[in-house]
Amino acid sequence: SQQGEEDPQALSIQEGENATMNCSYKTSINNLQWYRQNSGRGLVHLILIRSNEREKHSGRLRVTLDTSKKSSSLLITASRAADTASYFCATALQTGANSKLTFGKGITLSVRP
Amino acid sequence: GAVVSQHPSRVICKSGTSVKIECRSLDFQATTMFWYRQFPKQSLMLMATSNEGSKATYEQGVEKDKFLINHASLTLSTLTVTSAHPEDSSFYICSARGQGSPRMGNNEQFFGPGTRLTVL
Repeated sequence: SQQGEEDPQALSIQEGENATMNCSYKTSINNLQWYRQNSGRGLVHLILIRSNEREKHSGRLRVTLDTSKKSSSLLITASRAADTASYFCATALQTGANSKLTFGKGITLSVRP
Repeated sequence: GAVVSQHPSRVICKSGTSVKIECRSLDFQATTMFWYRQFPKQSLMLMATSNEGSKATYEQGVEKDKFLINHASLTLSTLTVTSAHPEDSSFYICSARGQGSPRMGNNEQFFGPGTRLTVL
């Protein structure tokens, strides 16, 4: 069953604007990860946030996690045309050898030059 | 570091034939490999998890006799789609997790570039 649900499903913004994408999940997690996928390509890991963390930054990316609401957000600041891609959140219910990721449906981000 | 490759990147085959897809970890030892399939504009659905030297664990609804997975070494896993049919046409992506790199500490999965399978 789908664990993560992103919204919006599609987002179109102008270059330079910020893009905010949200992800909700249903069960308790060990960590939540965000990935980017360019059309027809594999996934690129963006950032991982653990269940005991509330916010993480990586370059122009800012991720928040609210375990009480079972939700996360990914903020991309000062967007660029190259940020155009699909973005997925993925949750890991546990860590260690038995850990596996469950992906949300994804958000298609279009950044207009 | 932590590069995963897949071969082939694209394959077109006739219905009824079998297709083998290779997934390799190039600079680390992949103790666990995952196989996903992705339909157009949809999410990745986990098909199976394989640990080196063990039988793969398949997700519910995935036919193990249809999708044969072999993880015989720490750097190679193969997915064979047997007697492929048009409904098997999809984007197959592998990922690997393992040891031998500082990035492994986060239990991070590293994804291959995917294989586009088209069954005519």
